[in-house]
Amino acid sequence: QVQLVQSGAEVKKPGSSVKVSCKASGGTFSTYTISWVRLAPGQGLEWVGRIIPLLGIVNYAPKLQGRVTITADKSTSTAYMELSSLKSEDTAVYYCARDQEYWGQGTLVTVSS
Amino acid sequence: EIVLTQSPDFQSVTPKEKVTITCRASQSIGSSLHWYQQKPDQSPKLLIKYASQSFSGVPSRFSGSGSGTDFTLTINSLEAEDAATYYCHQSSSFPYTFGQGTKLEIK
Repeated sequence: QVQLVQSGAEVKKPGSSVKVSCKASGGTFSTYTISWVRLAPGQGLEWVGRIIPLLGIVNYAPKLQGRVTITADKSTSTAYMELSSLKSEDTAVYYCARDQEYWGQGTLVTVSS
Repeated sequence: EIVLTQSPDFQSVTPKEKVTITCRASQSIGSSLHWYQQKPDQSPKLLIKYASQSFSGVPSRFSGSGSGTDFTLTINSLEAEDAATYYCHQSSSFPYTFGQGTKLEIK
């Protein structure tokens, strides 16, 4: 049974960074693609980026390039999404997904002074 | 960047009605088009992958069709539990993108 469990909600100040984790169970972690998607209040889904742990290949949304870093620890089957220089517009629920088929429960990141 | 445009943005429908949501891509994406359902405070759920392949466990009333630039999600005999926002999503080229969403309200 595939399960993705994300870290808990975060409240951050503008200009700071946040790191969200996504621990996978069921299946072989390295061979899948882990994507990150966010949903801001009143907005639609937005693709953030993805990683293929086996190959170490990472792709990012141009809008967030330079501020977002996606990594994966194969030893713990955990993926991470770090977003720096946070702005109020980064307030959103961040989701991880395996091969776009199975999704984590979401992590609310609130950026507020 | 490939832009996906969904139609309509909002639709109010009655149970047992047939619903059609369209998704148009700004350039050809082959069959690399997927459909998701999202309800408030829930994670998105995959309904259809690669334009027409039903995902495991999805009710048979959901179906998808299309290729190239024009795609359709059809819900036959709508049920009250189908009230949600539906998104199309392309994985043909980076950056991957989503449509703006179609909100379905059940009367």
